[in-house]
Amino acid sequence: GAGVSQSPSNKVTEKGKDVELRCDPISGHTALYWYRQSLGQGLEFLIYFQGNSAPDKSGLPSDRFSAERTGGSVSTLTIQRTQQEDSAVYLCASSLDGQSYGYTFGSGTRLTVV
Amino acid sequence: SQQGEEDPQALSIQEGENATMNCSYKTSINNLQWYRQNSGRGLVHLILIRSNEREKHSGRLRVTLDTSKKSSSLLITASRAADTASYFCARSDAGNNRKLIWGLGTSLAVNP
Repeated sequence: GAGVSQSPSNKVTEKGKDVELRCDPISGHTALYWYRQSLGQGLEFLIYFQGNSAPDKSGLPSDRFSAERTGGSVSTLTIQRTQQEDSAVYLCASSLDGQSYGYTFGSGTRLTVV
Repeated sequence: SQQGEEDPQALSIQEGENATMNCSYKTSINNLQWYRQNSGRGLVHLILIRSNEREKHSGRLRVTLDTSKKSSSLLITASRAADTASYFCARSDAGNNRKLIWGLGTSLAVNP
């Protein structure tokens, strides 16, 4: 597609439930990133995929968080047993090579855990 | 903290004035990037400047980089109300350029 597409745009879930967030990057972009942003804060790195390399999971805050990228394209971020502190905007970005080009961000998924 | 530091945290100017935002860091970088974010979503890439570059322009935007001082600035000339947004710098560290390290941003308000 022309841009990075994220779904859903908004998600309200009950504490303890699992959620899946989807990211469809720009076709041909080898690098894909997940970040989250709390109100008025900067971006917190979660996970990075680059081609067929092992993902950089160093930013995942707990083992309740996981992500996969199928076929080098679409990515899903899964949060199990959601907690209220998981409430944030989850942003996905893709980049042509992850090194020399800027990121293109999706519009994000606003997750609210009640 | 690994985060870069931006100043000011908030800036309020009148339309037509210039706005300058600064970003400082402590590492050796591969490149430094500036982004704009409206309404808490919608991050947009503005300019990427490489470590061997000193200045880049894009329309009304001018970015400078001083690697000796480990600082960068973003200048918006002849500001417009539509420039109201948060502006973030993000750096790619040399030797670890797999992900960007983000500052906390400067909130710019351009008053009509």
